[in-house]
Amino acid sequence: DVQLLASGGGLVQPGGSLRVSCAASGFSVVNHALSWVRQTPGQGLEWVSTLSGGSGPTWYADSVQGRFTISRDISENSLYLQMNRLRAEDTAIYYCAKTRGVAGIPGAPRAFDIWGHGTRVTVSS
Amino acid sequence: DIQMTQSPSSVSASVGDRVTITCRASQGVGSWLAWYQQKPGIAPRLLIYGASSLESGVPSRFSGSGSGTYFTLTISSLQPEDFATYYCQQSGSFPRTFGQGTKVEVK
Repeated sequence: DVQLLASGGGLVQPGGSLRVSCAASGFSVVNHALSWVRQTPGQGLEWVSTLSGGSGPTWYADSVQGRFTISRDISENSLYLQMNRLRAEDTAIYYCAKTRGVAGIPGAPRAFDIWGHGTRVTVSS
Repeated sequence: DIQMTQSPSSVSASVGDRVTITCRASQGVGSWLAWYQQKPGIAPRLLIYGASSLESGVPSRFSGSGSGTYFTLTISSLQPEDFATYYCQQSGSFPRTFGQGTKVEVK
């Protein structure tokens, strides 16, 4: 089965740091772009960051640029989001998501076909 | 950034009804448009990708159409398990953006 399992959320003070993780199974994290999407309780979905498959670029929402870093560990087959200088407005459920198409194939679907269950991050003093 | 606007924000419907949700993009996104279903406390589920391609395992009562700036999601005959919130999302460019969601409620 193709799955994503998110972990690492918790309570952190404003200005603090936290790293959330997403363990992948059933596929290689190198072969697909992977993303983080967050959702404030009761609100809509907000894209946060994407790590391209292979050796491609990374992308960030303006709201997190310079504070968050997306990365992957091939040996662990996992995706990470390092969050620094956290703010109250970063409080949300963070989902990891896999892009449907295989990286490097022109025209491959870009939709998010597999989502992790989400991990809750609360930024509060 | 490309803004995605869904309408309506909510719709009240009965089992068996035909429901159509629209999504407009502030700039053309080609066919790089996906639809997701989300139920409370659960991660979103991909329904439609490429504007009109049905994801594997998704019932055929769901269909998508459109290109460029105007898209629709149609549920041909609403079932009890379809009461949920639906989101469109463009992947034509970064930043990826979602619509604000449409809640399908029991009438």
